[in-house]
Amino acid sequence: DQQVKQNSPSLSVQEGRISILNCDYTNSMFDYFLWYKKYPAEGPTFLISISSIKDKNEDGRFTVFLNKSAKHLSLHIVPSQPGDSAVYFCAASVAGKSTFGDGTTLTVKP
Amino acid sequence: DAGVTQSPTHLIKTRGQQVTLRCSPKSGHDTVSWYQQALGQGPQFIFQYYEEEERQRGNFPDRFSGHQFPNYSSELNVNALLLGDSALYLCASSLRTGDLMGTEAFFGQGTRLTVV
Repeated sequence: DQQVKQNSPSLSVQEGRISILNCDYTNSMFDYFLWYKKYPAEGPTFLISISSIKDKNEDGRFTVFLNKSAKHLSLHIVPSQPGDSAVYFCAASVAGKSTFGDGTTLTVKP
Repeated sequence: DAGVTQSPTHLIKTRGQQVTLRCSPKSGHDTVSWYQQALGQGPQFIFQYYEEEERQRGNFPDRFSGHQFPNYSSELNVNALLLGDSALYLCASSLRTGDLMGTEAFFGQGTRLTVV
């Protein structure tokens, strides 16, 4: 039973356009959601997070949206840059324990 | 300021052997979590240490054990290795501040364990 799902294994967008990465979860007890970015041969790097009491959090080009009723969150990257090409992991946390999705590989084409 | 450091970076072991992986957290961090990442999957939570005690545990057998030292560094031990234990093992450190448990974690580069 996978509690956090990223249904798109890969996503390809043109430089300058918007990238939208999606994540669904099943456990309504999750109280914090995070996005991590991972380059090859490196550990995941924290990108942005959102508390379950909010529906939007923005940090520069990155915005995370949370829809609790749908148990869905998304990461928007605007504008997308070639350096954003990486694997993006969605994670959901409760009591300090984080559950990760399987990741979406984003490719931004110049 | 060094981030999270893990050693060794790569390791090859034989079935049935035991292995110890090491992690030094980011300076100022007091909480260490361990994850197993199989190829093509996301990291799976093994356990978390705070104040030298295991605080949370994922769905892993007792063959997986750990330790946290007074300087906050940590070890992951796996006994009776199976072929299926081959994976990237990630250590993540964070700062536990009261009830704020959802703070971001800083990951090391991981240890690639191959069991043959």
